[in-house]
Amino acid sequence: EVQLEESGGGLVQPGGSLTLSCAASGFSFSDYWMHWVRQAPGKGPVWVSYIKGDGTTPVYADSVTGRFTISRDNAQNTLYLQMDSLRVEDTALYYCARAGVKFGMDVWGQGTTVTVSS
Amino acid sequence: QSALTQPPSASGSPGQSVTISCTGTSNDVGAYDYVSWYQQHPGKAPKLIIYGVTKRPSGVPDRFSGSRSGTTASLTVSGLQTEDEADYYCCSYADNNYSYLFGTGTKVTVL
Repeated sequence: EVQLEESGGGLVQPGGSLTLSCAASGFSFSDYWMHWVRQAPGKGPVWVSYIKGDGTTPVYADSVTGRFTISRDNAQNTLYLQMDSLRVEDTALYYCARAGVKFGMDVWGQGTTVTVSS
Repeated sequence: QSALTQPPSASGSPGQSVTISCTGTSNDVGAYDYVSWYQQHPGKAPKLIIYGVTKRPSGVPDRFSGSRSGTTASLTVSGLQTEDEADYYCCSYADNNYSYLFGTGTKVTVL
């Protein structure tokens, strides 16, 4: 079964750091670009970042550029999102998603919650 | 990076059709065939229902269809069923900054 499972969320103070993980199974992980998408409570999803299958060419939304770093370990079938200098407005449910044909996000995890608060 | 524009709500009775618009620009919706649509039920992750503007993933009912005219994409749900009541979001690749944009979202109510 094709699956994605996020972990690593939690409560962190403004200015703090957190690293999210996304464990993939059931497909050839290195063949796919991968995304991080976040959704604040009561709001719609917002794209955060993507990375190519070989780990090159990471791209970020303007709101997180310079603060977040996406990476992947294809040997461990795991995607990461390192989040530094966290702000209250980064509070959200963070999903990882697989980029399928025509870049539709065809597989999603259940999400991990990040709360930035003092 | 502004969100794509969708109407906040749409509704229809069972069996009727509803169409949701997604308005972007010539740098995103109007530029590439990388427009997708997602259905999201409360407390659940988004689910891909349309990709490549018009294509349906395996397992998605053919009641769901996508189209595009210029810089506006549309999702039509025909033969509305109660389980179609959900939030719907469009998404497009945007060639400024090689990024992705989601729409503002449309809540579909089945009357």
